[in-house]
Amino acid sequence: EVQLVESGGGLVQPGESLRLSCAASGFIFSSSWMSWVRQAPGKGLEWVANIKQDGSEKYYVDSVKGRFTISRDNARNSLYLQMDSLRVEDTAVYYCASGYCSSASCYANYFDPWGQGTQVTVSS
Amino acid sequence: EIVMTQSPATLSVSPGERATLSCRASQSVSINLAWYQQKPGQAPRLLIYGASTRATGIPARFSGSASGTEFTLTISSLVSEDFGVYYCQQYNNWPLTFGGGTKVEI
Repeated sequence: EVQLVESGGGLVQPGESLRLSCAASGFIFSSSWMSWVRQAPGKGLEWVANIKQDGSEKYYVDSVKGRFTISRDNARNSLYLQMDSLRVEDTAVYYCASGYCSSASCYANYFDPWGQGTQVTVSS
Repeated sequence: EIVMTQSPATLSVSPGERATLSCRASQSVSINLAWYQQKPGQAPRLLIYGASTRATGIPARFSGSASGTEFTLTISSLVSEDFGVYYCQQYNNWPLTFGGGTKVEI
């Protein structure tokens, strides 16, 4: 069974840091682009960052550039998001998502499957 | 940044009826458009990519189409499990952006 399980969320104060993790199983993790997507309370989806299979390319939404770092460890089938200088507006459920793979190919920028998410709350 | 605008915000549909959801891009995204379904408390699920290609395991009652910067998701005959929020997403340009969602009420 394909599974993505996020962890590491919690309640922090503005300016503090968190490191999110995503454990992948049931598919060839090293063959997939991976992404983080977030959803603020009662709001829509916002793509945050993604990373190529070998980690050689990384892309970020402007609002997190310089504060968040996406990384992966293919030996551990794990994806990470280091979040520094957190702001109140970073409060959201953070989802780990894989680039979609059809029977023919794998793709970078649309996502399936997704994990169940981990809550990050930034508040003083 | 490409802005994706979805309409209507809420759609009330009876089982068996057709549902038509719209998504408009602020500039051309070619056919680099995906649709997702999200049910309460759950992660999103990919329905459509390439504007009209169903993802693996998606029922044939879901279809997508494109005309310029206008995109449509059609659910031909709604069943109760189709309730939820539907999002479009463009992947033609960075940053990847989602629409605000359409809530489908049964």
